[in-house]
Amino acid sequence: NAGVTQTPKFQVLKTGQSMTLQCAQDMNHNSMYWYRQDPGMGLRLIYYSASEGTTDKGEVPNGYNVSRLNKREFSLRLESAAPSQTSVYFCASSEIREDTQYFGPGTRLTVL
Amino acid sequence: AQSVTQPDIHITVSEGASLELRCNYSYGATPYLFWYVQSPGQGLQLLLKYFSGDTLVQGIKGFEAEFKRSQSSFNLRKPSVHWSDAAEYFCAVLSGGYNKLIFGAGTRLAVHP
Repeated sequence: NAGVTQTPKFQVLKTGQSMTLQCAQDMNHNSMYWYRQDPGMGLRLIYYSASEGTTDKGEVPNGYNVSRLNKREFSLRLESAAPSQTSVYFCASSEIREDTQYFGPGTRLTVL
Repeated sequence: AQSVTQPDIHITVSEGASLELRCNYSYGATPYLFWYVQSPGQGLQLLLKYFSGDTLVQGIKGFEAEFKRSQSSFNLRKPSVHWSDAAEYFCAVLSGGYNKLIFGAGTRLAVHP
């Protein structure tokens, strides 16, 4: 039981490049989330998926898109990366939305 | 708007000393509250949570937290700190729509031998 896994662990992009961050959970959870963590700001929600087939914007969605591929997988895409998107990205999941969220190990992204 | 405040950015304690990390929240209804810990380069691990019932909740690694509605606080405590407790600690509240966690900015704990 790996919990929540994220790939890649590290990534360096040039401004304007695109990439997709992958997240998978093996806990049969319904809800999944993407957060970004910046120094002194805690974690902020980018997008979430309350259940398979649905996605909604969080607090800071601009510049990102998501896909809930199936119940297990929730990907985050940066279409045209900007230096302001340099951050650590965390994926999380919960059985239902009114429940404890479990976090992956994070992806450290640098945009030059 | 809902918010979480952790007043202390950095705290340093000696190994074996007691610890209290402060957390204040702004929320209209009964909150669902969490404490997470993040070791360097790692993800977030749940320490404990409060949904309802007993206002003193026990967590992993010897941590406990007390929910005080009158003070809008959910402070984290440990009677005797170990060097391995050095990490960053985040308090969070589940928002009214239950669709996101609202995090405080975090408190970084250093432990002196």
